Amino acid sequence: NAGVMQNPRHLVRRRGQEARLRCSPVKGHSHVYWYRQLPEEGLKFMVYLQKENIIDESGMPKERFSAEFPKEGPSILRIQQVVRGDSAAYFCASSPIDQGKRPQHFGDGTRLSIL
Amino acid sequence: AQKITQTQPGMFVQEKEAVTLDCTYDTSDQSYGLFWYKQPSSGEMIFLIYQGSYDEQNATEGRYSLNFQKARKSANLVISASQLGDSAMYFCAMRETGGSEKLVFGKGTKLTVNP
Repeated sequence: NAGVMQNPRHLVRRRGQEARLRCSPVKGHSHVYWYRQLPEEGLKFMVYLQKENIIDESGMPKERFSAEFPKEGPSILRIQQVVRGDSAAYFCASSPIDQGKRPQHFGDGTRLSIL
Repeated sequence: AQKITQTQPGMFVQEKEAVTLDCTYDTSDQSYGLFWYKQPSSGEMIFLIYQGSYDEQNATEGRYSLNFQKARKSANLVISASQLGDSAMYFCAMRETGGSEKLVFGKGTKLTVNP
């Protein structure tokens, strides 16, 4: 079974451009989480989505950042007008409806570099 | 708000010896889950071990065990018989139950295993 798939693995953008990060969850998982990891830091929660719904976006910056998880296709984290401070690793995790004792499965992350 | 504290930025251990990585947490919830993840230099997040707040026994997974002391709110990871491949960042995380069940991470401990 395929795990969480994220692409691209590395993404380079110039200041002011848009960055689109994609995440395909584990087959059968309906919950997707996005986390951001700044250098020398732990992961910080950004947003939690279920199919076609944003459930918790308490960790998302108020401007320039948006996320979606459409009925068909991968979840997308979109960053508009990127700035140097957006340089980070962005991780996606998925889980089934009832997490219980099961861990969230993480993708390998997208390393975003802003020139 | 939930908080995870990892007080050891870096740890060194000799190959084949055991090492303990510290983690303390703060929560007002009665029901919660604690996780340890490993992040090697390649960057992916690898789940190691889980402890539920109501589990009476300490969790074990192969060479990994979790020293769970609920009254002290600590969940230390013990790695026995360290191997060179154990060199990595180690993150302690807590999952709130109910709500979005997002993970809250500590800042991590960098473990170096010396030959």
